[in-house]
Amino acid sequence: DTEVTQTPKHLVMGMTNKKSLKCEQHMGHRAMYWYKQKAKKPPELMFVYSYEKLSINESVPSRFSPECPNSSLLNLHLHALQPEDSALYLCASSQGGAGTGVPGTQYFGPGTRLTVL
Amino acid sequence: QKEVEQDPGPLSVPEGAIVSLNCTYSNSAFQYFMWYRQYSRKGPELLMYTYSSGNKEDGRFTAQVDKSSKYISLFIRDSQPSDSATYLCAMSADTGRRALTFGSGTRLQVQP
Repeated sequence: DTEVTQTPKHLVMGMTNKKSLKCEQHMGHRAMYWYKQKAKKPPELMFVYSYEKLSINESVPSRFSPECPNSSLLNLHLHALQPEDSALYLCASSQGGAGTGVPGTQYFGPGTRLTVL
Repeated sequence: QKEVEQDPGPLSVPEGAIVSLNCTYSNSAFQYFMWYRQYSRKGPELLMYTYSSGNKEDGRFTAQVDKSSKYISLFIRDSQPSDSATYLCAMSADTGRRALTFGSGTRLQVQP
């Protein structure tokens, strides 16, 4: 099973709201990722967690706050977003990650389509 | 210059045609090469994964990597309308930063 699940599928929020995106995998993968994808563009890396520790933060604004409660779960907390943050947010996982010595073939979830009004 | 170059298309072919999708790259540290298929408004789906140079075949799909030319290809035989999607190449290094570097994606349309 190579499934990564994400909830919710769609989210509409105002600029003053606080919301969270959730991601789950049960493949025993030790690296998890958040990507942002705008229409007709490739995914852009936001954060990487390796063994539940944040290993890469691509200078993402602080209004995005990741959290990895355990090896199967990854959250992205959203606060005071801007309309330009509207995008498809993708979670991915891989067996290995930065510094693990294991190939990082990534499996993606279906994404959360976020609209910020 | 981008690290990974991919023709955005769109590429339109008749059903049953052989499709060739390509990416070039500049970073000689890349060792892992992947092809993802992405349908509209869905997450990318891993199609093929290759380590270093060589060919890999899976059903109607063949991935080729030529590290000497820094060139990778995905061939789709007997293309079907259900193959209509955006195809993203992605690659990563063997050490250090292992995050994927994506091409811009090629939009493929297979006409029935």
